[in-house]
Amino acid sequence: GAVVSQHPSWVICKSGTSVKIECRSLDFQATTMFWYRQFPKQSLMLMATSNEGSKATYEQGVEKDKFLINHASLTLSTLTVTSAHPEDSSFYICSARVAGGPQEQYFGPGTRLTVT
Amino acid sequence: GESVGLHLPTLSVQEGDNSIINCAYSNSASDYFIWYKQESGKGPQFIIDIRSNMDKRQGQRVTVLLNKTVKHLSLQIAATQPGDSAVYFCAEERGSQGNLIFGKGTKLSVKP
Repeated sequence: GAVVSQHPSWVICKSGTSVKIECRSLDFQATTMFWYRQFPKQSLMLMATSNEGSKATYEQGVEKDKFLINHASLTLSTLTVTSAHPEDSSFYICSARVAGGPQEQYFGPGTRLTVT
Repeated sequence: GESVGLHLPTLSVQEGDNSIINCAYSNSASDYFIWYKQESGKGPQFIIDIRSNMDKRQGQRVTVLLNKTVKHLSLQIAATQPGDSAVYFCAEERGSQGNLIFGKGTKLSVKP
């Protein structure tokens, strides 16, 4: 149980275009989902906290108009990278907490974004 | 600023030996810590967690030690196997929503 999926697993897009990444909790409901970014050989950096039915909370330095987060249901959160640039190329990972459950976060497999 | 950090970026051990990965944290108010394993190109995998009201917790082949006095966390892996090769991160929970602050990571390489 407690499986989180991401789609797509990898994507290549041209500079200036937008890309949407989906994060789904497959066998549980998640009121809170988190989005992280990880550059090569670096740690995970929290980008934003996504709560179902409300606006996401962004970490300092993360542009909310560039990284649009929507958490429309208890099993789905989406991250849209708008007007992507090569410096946005990274590994994007989501995690989810079980609604009303323990503190443990379950991580998705990640999405590799390459902007050319 | 406050951060969670790791002492060693790489660790190489012989198969069958025990591994110890260390982590220092700076927020004395933190009360929940987690160790994750990340294989190349994959998301983090939960290994073990510990709350600040404990100083030791054991799992299958893994033990986490917490020293609140010096704000130090360690992960011990017994009888390390080639499948344990990965990057290990400690994480500290902050905030009411469970935001995780990750350390820099230690790459563990197990020699057969």
